[in-house]
Amino acid sequence: AQSVTQLGSHVSVSEGALVLLRCNYSSSVPPYLFWYVQYPNQGLQLLLKYTSAATLVKGINGFEAEFKKSETSFHLTKPSAHMSDAAEYFCAVSADYKLSFGAGTTVTVRA
Amino acid sequence: KAGVTQTPRYLIKTRGQQVTLSCSPISGHRSVSWYQQTPGQGLQFLFEYFSETQRNKGNFPGRFSGRQFSNSRSEMNVSTLELGDSALYLCASSQTTGSDYGYTFGSGTRLTVV
Repeated sequence: AQSVTQLGSHVSVSEGALVLLRCNYSSSVPPYLFWYVQYPNQGLQLLLKYTSAATLVKGINGFEAEFKKSETSFHLTKPSAHMSDAAEYFCAVSADYKLSFGAGTTVTVRA
Repeated sequence: KAGVTQTPRYLIKTRGQQVTLSCSPISGHRSVSWYQQTPGQGLQFLFEYFSETQRNKGNFPGRFSGRQFSNSRSEMNVSTLELGDSALYLCASSQTTGSDYGYTFGSGTRLTVV
């Protein structure tokens, strides 16, 4: 079964600093990977997706992620954090008509 | 383009009752899936429908059921509610299988069982 693991349940960064959220996947076949963001009392919004077209994927709001097969990783980064980036972030893998999510990482941005 | 619409947004029910949640997918999307989100268990897959057929089902008791109509709208039903069913229920839609396309989520229905 395909799964993802997010390292770190909470990340705190200063405004303007690099945001790095870690995700490792487990899959016996090339995976379809996604990052979603959830703001309080809202649903999930797709940030970006990896579908094997390119290993460096650019998403919305300045986020990007790099697929590294050798490390089975799909870490999410943003060069400069903004206060509006405070939210919960989920990594997910798609297979068998469903998404399997990681436990999520809550990002806090300090002024 | 309208997004995924879930109704109602909030719901309070009493233990033992049943509840029906509704989801209208994005126009043209034929796949609808449901997820339960709780602080303890995180996001868990309930079931997925495509053209009125359930293609996959998560590990939930039979009290949880769903269906999809010919216009792709979907409903999920929970019977004999338990306190542990309190959660945010999210619906997602996709044009096809979603494996490479991605899913668009609604804002969810917050169910509280008292």
